[in-house]
Amino acid sequence: GESVGLHLPTLSVQEGDNSIINCAYSNSASDYFIWYKQESGKGPQFIIDIRSNMDKRQGQRVTVLLNKTVKHLSLQIAATQPGDSAVYFCAERGSNYKLTFGKGTLLTVNP
Amino acid sequence: GAGVSQSPSNKVTEKGKDVELRCDPISGHTALYWYRQSLGQGLEFLIYFQGNSAPDKSGLPSDRFSAERTGGSVSTLTIQRTQQEDSAVYLCASSLGATSSYEQYFGPGTRLTVT
Repeated sequence: GESVGLHLPTLSVQEGDNSIINCAYSNSASDYFIWYKQESGKGPQFIIDIRSNMDKRQGQRVTVLLNKTVKHLSLQIAATQPGDSAVYFCAERGSNYKLTFGKGTLLTVNP
Repeated sequence: GAGVSQSPSNKVTEKGKDVELRCDPISGHTALYWYRQSLGQGLEFLIYFQGNSAPDKSGLPSDRFSAERTGGSVSTLTIQRTQQEDSAVYLCASSLGATSSYEQYFGPGTRLTVT
């Protein structure tokens, strides 16, 4: 069945460092992947997405990398700031509209 | 512009009581989703509405859960005879359409506590 999981449940970094959050997925038929950020007491917020026909996509301070060979997805945050502290979820879309979410990684940015 | 709104933000109820959770999607969004998020867990899909099509209820955990979407806009998630394991944050999301736009916009959620 479909499953999305995270290698690291928690990540602590220093302000200004780069952060890398990893995600593994199992459904090779997934064609779309998203990263969401969820701050305490709020709903998930879209960060960046990538389609399966791409390997890399860049946004503002964020980059998503997709390795279909090993079914691995990562989110890179450049120059991490205290405001980046949150739980980050990866999600995949398979053959239908449903998104399957991972359990999340807690990112803590130390000043 | 207005995002997805949900009410109430918090709900405490006694075991066995029924509860209704409300979601107001972004105007013009035809697709609406309900998810459940238990403590420290990812999002669990519950139900999906798209336009006038029959909803996909495949994620509802039991027949105590039901949802409606009136007039293609506001949606209500009803949980009958609540149990303690129903305690979670219930999140609603909407999107322009299941295929025209994949991005789902989430509301702040309703935190349900069953005592």
